[in-house]
Amino acid sequence: DVKVTQSSRYLVKRTGEKVFLECVQDMDHENMFWYRQDPGLGLRLIYFSYDVKMKEKGDIPEGYSVSREKKERFSLILESTSTNQTSMYLCASSLGPSRGANVLTFGAGSRLTVL
Amino acid sequence: AQTVTQSQPEMSVQEAETVTLSCTYDTSENNYYLFWYKQPPSRQMILVIRQEAYKQQNATENRFSVNFQKAAKSFSLKISDSQLGDTAMYFCAFWDTGNQFYFGTGTSLTVIP
Repeated sequence: DVKVTQSSRYLVKRTGEKVFLECVQDMDHENMFWYRQDPGLGLRLIYFSYDVKMKEKGDIPEGYSVSREKKERFSLILESTSTNQTSMYLCASSLGPSRGANVLTFGAGSRLTVL
Repeated sequence: AQTVTQSQPEMSVQEAETVTLSCTYDTSENNYYLFWYKQPPSRQMILVIRQEAYKQQNATENRFSVNFQKAAKSFSLKISDSQLGDTAMYFCAFWDTGNQFYFGTGTSLTVIP
């Protein structure tokens, strides 16, 4: 089975601090995604990447950046956190569309609280 | 852009009963896939069931089945013989065979013993 591992399960930060969330998948998936999950809003796409060093903005990229230096690793960076970034962050991966039917596989999530 | 709507924020069902979660979507695509994902409390999101739009037959996975109405753009999930472990958030999702997936806002299901 595909495994998607997120480096931090729970984080508490102060406003203005930098946060680095790392996500690693072990099944050679082309696509990787970062979502933000908030009650009543569902999952909102922050950024996704379809190849190494490639990234695309999702629906809510403001205040975030990403890095994909290796195929298996996709990092979400919050350069200067604010309280409105308190949320659950979900990483996911999938095969590229050229490789047939796609299914998203999720990590366990990283719950960030910004004080 | 594709949109996915789940109009039931919360639902409950008695253990062993049947419950149906609703999902509608909007797209101009003809080839796409629909999914139901389950997120148990404090646990990882997992795939429940998948439907390919070009298949008329409704997908079934054990106690989980879908009612896929392509013309109506409706994709409901039926859970039969509900169990306590079915308590979770359920998300309907859409994939247009490109790079992105689109999610509804979720339905929180509670199974009552």
